[in-house]
Amino acid sequence: QSVLTQPPSVSGAPGQRVTISCTGSSSNIGARYDVHWYQQLPGTAPKLLLSGNSNRPSGVPDRFSGSKSGTSAALAITGLQAEDEADYYCQSFDSSLTGYVFGTGTKVTVL
Amino acid sequence: QVQLVQSGAEVKKPGASVRVSCKASGYTFTTYAMHWVRQAPGQRLEWMGWISAGNGNTKYSEKFQGRVTITRDTSASTAYMELSSLRSEDTAVYYCARGEDFIYWGQGTLVTVSS
Repeated sequence: QSVLTQPPSVSGAPGQRVTISCTGSSSNIGARYDVHWYQQLPGTAPKLLLSGNSNRPSGVPDRFSGSKSGTSAALAITGLQAEDEADYYCQSFDSSLTGYVFGTGTKVTVL
Repeated sequence: QVQLVQSGAEVKKPGASVRVSCKASGYTFTTYAMHWVRQAPGQRLEWMGWISAGNGNTKYSEKFQGRVTITRDTSASTAYMELSSLRSEDTAVYYCARGEDFIYWGQGTLVTVSS
């Protein structure tokens, strides 16, 4: 099954900038389908962080930003804070599967 | 405000079926699709399928095709996900989520499959 590949973990000190990549293929991100990003705190449901590649829903700090190029997308967190420690997932639509796919997930650790 | 409230935890034996409900409030139920996503312990999110709450059309992930059925009751503003022929690997938290960008999520329902 087609998946979106993310690094298993990234870490940074408070105040630093970290980025999480999301690598897809020509049938999902490369086919210009939107990428959405979710934050999942331990034991809770995922929360939409960015929609349509880079749009922040109301209440999401502007420390979170997104980008997309070719068959990949990225989430950047600037001014890293302890509360950002969580799992992060990208998500898109896949035309070969005619269904939605999630990334493999990235655990962000604040040192 | 928009809320998705799911049914409670379930314990099932291998081979059985489970049905999880997702009651929506705070918006017009038939306006948006409802998706079902599951997460096994320590694993990533996995999309299972979706239903158009307006016309009832469904689409399932190939992985679950033949074992999952998603339905809805518009009078109750509730979506349902039924998974059959359960096996231990189906032990997971099951979520409903609204719309194309999954902006609203239910609280999750733990389904445990154990003999």
